[in-house]
Amino acid sequence: DAGITQSPRHKVTETGTPVTLRCHQTENHRYMYWYRQDPGHGLRLIHYSYGVKDTDKGEVSDGYSVSRSKTEDFLLTLESATSSQTSVYFCAISERVGGSNYGYTFGSGTRLTVV
Amino acid sequence: AQSVTQLDSQVPVFEEAPVELRCNYSSSVSVYLFWYVQYPNQGLQLLLKYLSGSTLVKGINGFEAEFNKSQTSFHLRKPSVHISDTAEYFCCTGNQFYFGTGTSLTVIP
Repeated sequence: DAGITQSPRHKVTETGTPVTLRCHQTENHRYMYWYRQDPGHGLRLIHYSYGVKDTDKGEVSDGYSVSRSKTEDFLLTLESATSSQTSVYFCAISERVGGSNYGYTFGSGTRLTVV
Repeated sequence: AQSVTQLDSQVPVFEEAPVELRCNYSSSVSVYLFWYVQYPNQGLQLLLKYLSGSTLVKGINGFEAEFNKSQTSFHLRKPSVHISDTAEYFCCTGNQFYFGTGTSLTVIP
């Protein structure tokens, strides 16, 4: 999507290896998010960031870590990949005012397969 | 905590027929509500949003939704669907980070 890119688009990795997914934005939005999408579960929040070096956990954060050293980049790391982490991962950005989100812009997704 | 429930996981409908995709939210406070669409192998795009004002919200591709506070609903409607509307549709709120589980709309020729 315009203003937000994810890399890689596809990745196959082996169980037990670390994996890092990258999200890059050019919109200068304060908030960035990582979601995973699985059949029957919709989108579930993994982690989010509300500024450089400011991050917090979502509902499915176990086995994942994030880092945000610059406004434009938000990295998601699977510390030791497992088959249950096979999923499609989406990055999103938004502006929030007074705690309320005015809407997300999503990246195109990363399809990760752990074998 | 606020959440959303999408009542139908799959909705098949014939081309040019009307469709309604249902979304209920739970909250006692003011809400922002959104509908997103995901076409196959793509990311999510914003269809429409309710922030305040008129309870009837019009979005892209001929979709509209009505915010109903008394019934805590934000159902998505289109009077005549096209094959190209086949996609996954997600309802979500702006006050938290949670999405509904999605409704798969299949338009049958």
